[in-house]
Amino acid sequence: TQLLEQSPQFLSIQEGENLTVYCNSSSVFSSLQWYRQEPGEGPVLLVTVVTGGEVKKLKRLTFQFGDARKDSSLHITAAQPGDTGLYLCAGELRDFGNEKLTFGTGTRLTIIP
Amino acid sequence: DTGVSQNPRHKITKRGQNVTFRCDPISEHNRLYWYRQTLGQGPEFLTYFQNEAQLEKSRLLSDRFSAERPKGSFSTLEIQRTEQGDSAMYLCASRRGVDNEQFFGPGTRLTVL
Repeated sequence: TQLLEQSPQFLSIQEGENLTVYCNSSSVFSSLQWYRQEPGEGPVLLVTVVTGGEVKKLKRLTFQFGDARKDSSLHITAAQPGDTGLYLCAGELRDFGNEKLTFGTGTRLTIIP
Repeated sequence: DTGVSQNPRHKITKRGQNVTFRCDPISEHNRLYWYRQTLGQGPEFLTYFQNEAQLEKSRLLSDRFSAERPKGSFSTLEIQRTEQGDSAMYLCASRRGVDNEQFFGPGTRLTVL
């Protein structure tokens, strides 16, 4: 069973501060996705990383895939209240027809104005 | 709206009753996935279809659960003899192919009294 652990589980910071969320596993993934989920809605994809060591930027969000493709991080610069939400990492394996996403435990982020 | 749709959005039922949820994927998406998300956790994979074929089922999918996708378009998830532990958000996702992202629907929130 692949297990993705996210840390921290909860994070509450002031507007304008920077933060980093971590996603760790003992398994190697073909790709890793980051999602944001609002209450009562389904997850919305933010980014997919595929190559070990890959870094992707989405405005104030920076995503990094570990060299060994076992871990990832999400860094937010100058957080804004609109960044509030549940952030989920999800890994995918592509072997023997395995296509399911294995989700992390989630990080609930609250940005205080 | 051309996104993934799920009905109903909310379902309250009494223990022991049967419930059925429906998912309409994005048109031309041949892959359809069901996930379950309990409060404070990330989604957990239940099952997935490629066209009408159900290709993988999680251990979470007990014999009380059954999913179908009869014509390779919409899918239904039925839970028989519901238990309080079945209370969760049931999410559906679809994608065009294995190299494409999964798009999630808004989910069906089930409450078993």
